[in-house]
Amino acid sequence: GAVVSQHPSRVICKSGTSVKIECRSLDFQATTMFWYRQFPKKSLMLMATSNEGSKATYEQGVEKDKFLINHASLTLSTLTVTSAHPEDSSFYICSAYLAGGPPDTQYFGPGTRLTVL
Amino acid sequence: GENVEQHPSTLSVQEGDSAVIKCTYSDSASNYFPWYKQELGKRPQLIIDIRSNVGEKKDQRIAVTLNKTAKHFSLHITETQPEDSAVYFCAASKGGYQKVTFGTGTKLQVIP
Repeated sequence: GAVVSQHPSRVICKSGTSVKIECRSLDFQATTMFWYRQFPKKSLMLMATSNEGSKATYEQGVEKDKFLINHASLTLSTLTVTSAHPEDSSFYICSAYLAGGPPDTQYFGPGTRLTVL
Repeated sequence: GENVEQHPSTLSVQEGDSAVIKCTYSDSASNYFPWYKQELGKRPQLIIDIRSNVGEKKDQRIAVTLNKTAKHFSLHITETQPEDSAVYFCAASKGGYQKVTFGTGTKLQVIP
């Protein structure tokens, strides 16, 4: 089946630093990827839609200059949290649709736990 | 944009009993409604889904119903087992390769 990986799985950083999270589709091409954040005991909130070769579409209220998204290839999207602060601590999950594959079928990554000290 | 509400937020049932989780959505253009199960610290897993041209779908102990007119859909789990304990999310989208809006989640606890 289609597999999506994320790296790193966990990261701890100091306040003010930037952190990059990678989302890879291992065995398929993904023209569209999504980034979610999930606070403890809360729902998955869509942050942005990432399309290969074009600028990401951010949801209302998400700072695009703080959460930089790059989808440079059909198998890789990255989320960079710039100048991270403790309130950015969260579980970040990506998902992808299989290019040309069955509609409605999202494949989720395992998530990245970000802790900002 | 789409808004999905989910109730209850927590649900405790005795093993063997049934559990029902209800969701409402706001965008009449939504036509695809998946349900996900998420265990702590893990990725969401699709457990069942329904499209707007269908009123009900069943897969073993799990069933989903959809009322398009009222814009609500429900998840039914029968003969619950302790391993059903998790957080369940409903979701809605316009189908295809569109974004998905998640409900607020229900923490289900099945008591042995």
